[in-house]
Amino acid sequence: DAKTTQPPSMDCAEGRAANLPCNHSTISGNEYVYWYRQIHSQGPQYIIHGLKNNETNEMASLIITEDRKSSTLILPHATLRDTAVYYCIVRVNFGNEKLTFGTGTRLTIIP
Amino acid sequence: NAGVTQTPKFQVLKTGQSMTLQCAQDMNHNSMYWYRQDPGMGLRLIYYSASEGTTDKGEVPNGYNVSRLNKREFSLRLESAAPSQTSVYFCASSEGFRNTIYFGEGSWLTVV
Repeated sequence: DAKTTQPPSMDCAEGRAANLPCNHSTISGNEYVYWYRQIHSQGPQYIIHGLKNNETNEMASLIITEDRKSSTLILPHATLRDTAVYYCIVRVNFGNEKLTFGTGTRLTIIP
Repeated sequence: NAGVTQTPKFQVLKTGQSMTLQCAQDMNHNSMYWYRQDPGMGLRLIYYSASEGTTDKGEVPNGYNVSRLNKREFSLRLESAAPSQTSVYFCASSEGFRNTIYFGEGSWLTVV
């Protein structure tokens, strides 16, 4: 029972903003949206997470729609090193729920 | 700043052999996890440990056992390896379930 839906692949030109969409139409009120990425067979790397407000850190921005049914991860100035598989995950932030990874979006940054 | 360290990084086993994957974290985290990732697929949780002394099954526990040796170490054991267990295994840790999870670099296991 996949909680999120992401496009399987995307391309983005180097230096441009990469916008990765994620649908999570069944998200419940206490579930956060998390983004991780995995660069070529390395361990997944945490990027950002949020509940309902937009969030920004040194890596990316997370825009969550008002109804919380979808979100967008924004890499403002994509570099070749941002080529990776990006996972959008929803989870509660308490109790025993663990991260469940789907198949993610393979983002390719094009020179 | 080692973070999460896994050993071995690569291993080839024959069907029926046993082995243990070792994992240690130096971040004083309470929770630790073992995931597997098959080619072209996302990560699937095998076992997790909420805190020292506790372990619980994840999504795909069959064929595996785990030991939370102390707060730092969480090992994964394959008692009788099968070709279906050929995969990349990731250990991870977090301060608690509500916190960011940090992953190791992975262990590539091939069962022939």
